[in-house]
Amino acid sequence: AQKITQTQPGMFVQEKEAVTLDCTYDTSDPSYGLFWYKQPSSGEMIFLIYQGSYDQQNATEGRYSLNFQKARKSANLVISASQLGDSAMYFCAMREVGSTGGTASKLTFGTGTRLQVTL
Amino acid sequence: DTEVTQTPKHLVMGMTNKKSLKCEQHMGHRAMYWYKQKAKKPPELMFVYSYEKLSINESVPSRFSPECPNSSLLNLHLHALQPEDSALYLCASSPSRKREASTDTQYFGPGTRLTVL
Repeated sequence: AQKITQTQPGMFVQEKEAVTLDCTYDTSDPSYGLFWYKQPSSGEMIFLIYQGSYDQQNATEGRYSLNFQKARKSANLVISASQLGDSAMYFCAMREVGSTGGTASKLTFGTGTRLQVTL
Repeated sequence: DTEVTQTPKHLVMGMTNKKSLKCEQHMGHRAMYWYKQKAKKPPELMFVYSYEKLSINESVPSRFSPECPNSSLLNLHLHALQPEDSALYLCASSPSRKREASTDTQYFGPGTRLTVL
């Protein structure tokens, strides 16, 4: 069974608009972390934002915020005021603490969403 | 500073060649990772080193041989590769602190684009 599901293969958004990229996850580990990465066409995976399973508040990092709904097992990324430079592939990933006993993090990635920002 | 460097950026090699990919970080991280990424797919974990010891090998063929000479360096030795091994190879590192296990963020390098002829 897929542990991380990103159901939107591609999304379009107009410049300066907000966009939500969906991510749902499945785990029985009570302690886990959720991550979003951006991958431009150059290939580098850029860390954007992190949400811990025990965090009470939604994470925010500049124009990025994470809409964390634990009961629904969703961790959607919201990008506000989109810019042309936001055009990239976006990956949601999860780390389950129990997977390696905490000494190194094994990430499970979703299939990604390609975001295109238009004028 | 969250920089992970990788060399070379591009590599073209024949099936009989031996080459190495190099990865370096100076963030004091104690875990380092190799991923393979095919076009339009998510990264696939290959190897994990934790405190300079190999802790995860995801059943990678022996033509890929990782090496961690010290806590800052990670190499991937390549020998007798196949054309299907052509991909983007990404290195990452993370702090690997047990106390903050769930926040162990991985930081990636820019990758090496490998083409096997």
